[in-house]
Amino acid sequence: GENVEQHPSTLSVQEGDSAVIKCTYSDSASNYFPWYKQELGKGPQLIIDIRSNVGEKKDQRIAVTLNKTAKHFSLHITETQPEDSAVYFCAANGGGSYIPTFGRGTSLIVHP
Amino acid sequence: DTEVTQTPKHLVMGMTNKKSLKCEQHMGHRAMYWYKQKAKKPPELMFVYSYEKLSINESVPSRFSPECPNSSLLNLHLHALQPEDSALYLCASSPDREGYTFGSGTRLTVV
Repeated sequence: GENVEQHPSTLSVQEGDSAVIKCTYSDSASNYFPWYKQELGKGPQLIIDIRSNVGEKKDQRIAVTLNKTAKHFSLHITETQPEDSAVYFCAANGGGSYIPTFGRGTSLIVHP
Repeated sequence: DTEVTQTPKHLVMGMTNKKSLKCEQHMGHRAMYWYKQKAKKPPELMFVYSYEKLSINESVPSRFSPECPNSSLLNLHLHALQPEDSALYLCASSPDREGYTFGSGTRLTVV
């Protein structure tokens, strides 16, 4: 089955800085890579996703990059704001399964 | 309507109680899911319903019983739970195999 590793587990930045969260996956057949943001007391929210036929995708201050050869993908947040503080989960859908395997999560803290 | 609504938001139950968690979506999504999430951990899949039929049961104990009365509703019936079952229970839906919409969850405490 699929295995997803996520780093770092905690990331602390100053407001305005950039933040990068990295994930690796094991199943070369995986073809869909979503990122979820979970704020305290809420369920995870899909913030951006990328498919295996695309190398990069941007949406305002967030971007995701995918390197299929190396089997890793990353979330980039620019100009961080305190409201970006949350736990971020990466996930990968294995080629043979539509059920995502989640990474262990990154707690992002943005200091004003 | 782009939301998944879960009720109740909080639930405290004794080990001999029977209770139900409810989930509703009106986005026309054909797949619905129950997840369990412990503090500081990723969500763990429990059940998947596809077109109102149970398609995946991740070896969940029988004290958890899912039900899908129609394409918009998903229930999770709870009976004789243990304290270690205390967690955040999340419902999610998706139009196909991608892009989950999660509810805000039910915070369950078993005493």
